[in-house]
Amino acid sequence: GAGVSQSPSNKVTEKGKDVELRCDPISGHTALYWYRQSLGQGLEFLIYFQGNSAPDKSGLPSDRFSAERTGGSVSTLTIQRTQQEDSAVYLCASSVSLGGRTISYEQYFGPGTRLTVT
Amino acid sequence: SQQGEEDPQALSIQEGENATMNCSYKTSINNLQWYRQNSGRGLVHLILIRSNEREKHSGRLRVTLDTSKKSSSLLITASRAADTASYFCATDDFNKFYFGSGTKLNVKP
Repeated sequence: GAGVSQSPSNKVTEKGKDVELRCDPISGHTALYWYRQSLGQGLEFLIYFQGNSAPDKSGLPSDRFSAERTGGSVSTLTIQRTQQEDSAVYLCASSVSLGGRTISYEQYFGPGTRLTVT
Repeated sequence: SQQGEEDPQALSIQEGENATMNCSYKTSINNLQWYRQNSGRGLVHLILIRSNEREKHSGRLRVTLDTSKKSSSLLITASRAADTASYFCATDDFNKFYFGSGTKLNVKP
């Protein structure tokens, strides 16, 4: 079946511009995560969506970052007024989880969007 | 921070040898998972071990978990050149996942 897809795969933008990154999770997965990975580093948690609950935004590095998830499926991560330090690979993942206290399942990752801010 | 930390940061071995990577974390966990990443792109789930389990096997992979020491190890037996990748451990507290900075494994043919 189809996995997690992300678009674009690569994005080069000028400092100060806004960018939108898209994630299509696996159908039926209620949990969706965004991570950022700088070159040679680990994954930095950004935001987490679970069903219709309010998202956990505790990892967003600044108010220039925001994310939405429409209809419990597709998600968009928006970075406003991009800075050079925003250059990284942005990874999206989805997983199955149950209502109530979430039971963690393995995450399925998309291929990522490589963002370069010049 | 609950973030897992892998050790060593880099490991280079010959094909056929075993590779052992370690992960340490700081607080109580629900599960611990190991992931693999090729070429800085998407991660692939390898194995999950629950907090009440001590050891788990999957093919050439063996994972151990010691909750008293807050540590886990991933053993890859009879390594192959295709195992060359970065390996990450991830812990969770039901809602959020915490990844370490990874071990970069190089398997020389």
